[in-house]
Amino acid sequence: EAGVAQSPRYKIIEKRQSVAFWCNPISGHATLYWYQQILGQGPKLLIQFQNNGVVDDSQLPKDRFSAERLKGVDSTLKIQPAKLEDSAVYLCASSLAASGRAFFGQGTRLTVV
Amino acid sequence: AQKITQTQPGMFVQEKEAVTLDCTYDTSDQSYGLFWYKQPSSGEMIFLIYQGSYDEQNATEGRYSLNFQKARKSANLVISASQLGDSAMYFCAMRGLSQGAQKLVFGQGTRLTINP
Repeated sequence: EAGVAQSPRYKIIEKRQSVAFWCNPISGHATLYWYQQILGQGPKLLIQFQNNGVVDDSQLPKDRFSAERLKGVDSTLKIQPAKLEDSAVYLCASSLAASGRAFFGQGTRLTVV
Repeated sequence: AQKITQTQPGMFVQEKEAVTLDCTYDTSDQSYGLFWYKQPSSGEMIFLIYQGSYDEQNATEGRYSLNFQKARKSANLVISASQLGDSAMYFCAMRGLSQGAQKLVFGQGTRLTINP
């Protein structure tokens, strides 16, 4: 079974630039999550999708972050404009149902300089 | 709102000893699930064990067991016979199972170091 795919693995950008991350969940998984993990901290949920609807985005900084999940499959997370404090690993995860175990991708390490 | 608290930032244990990693949680949901994940230095998140709030028995998976005390709202991870490869960050997480409470939230983690 193929796992959760994320790209790119690493990204370095200057502050005020924009960046986009892509996630392809495990086939058939209805629930998709984006987490931000700052070094030394636990993952913070940014947004959770159920199919292509949003279950929770209460911690998504909507003035600069946006996410979409087209046709209930792939998802993109965008930051525009980036700030220094956005430097983190962005983890995508998926689960078969909202109540199921989450499978994680390898993450995208973002450095904002 | 759901909240997970892990009070041990770091733990140091001798190889072959058992170790308990603490996790307490807070939720108003009556039905919920508790998870433990391991994150080695490579960064991947590895699922270890799951406990449902209505499960009568504590969950076990090989060397991992979950000491679930519902009244105390604690879900401690026990690793028996620790190995050098167990050195990693460990995260406790929970999710409500009722409609509208299904977001998966994580604690701050405990860094476990196994000494030879």
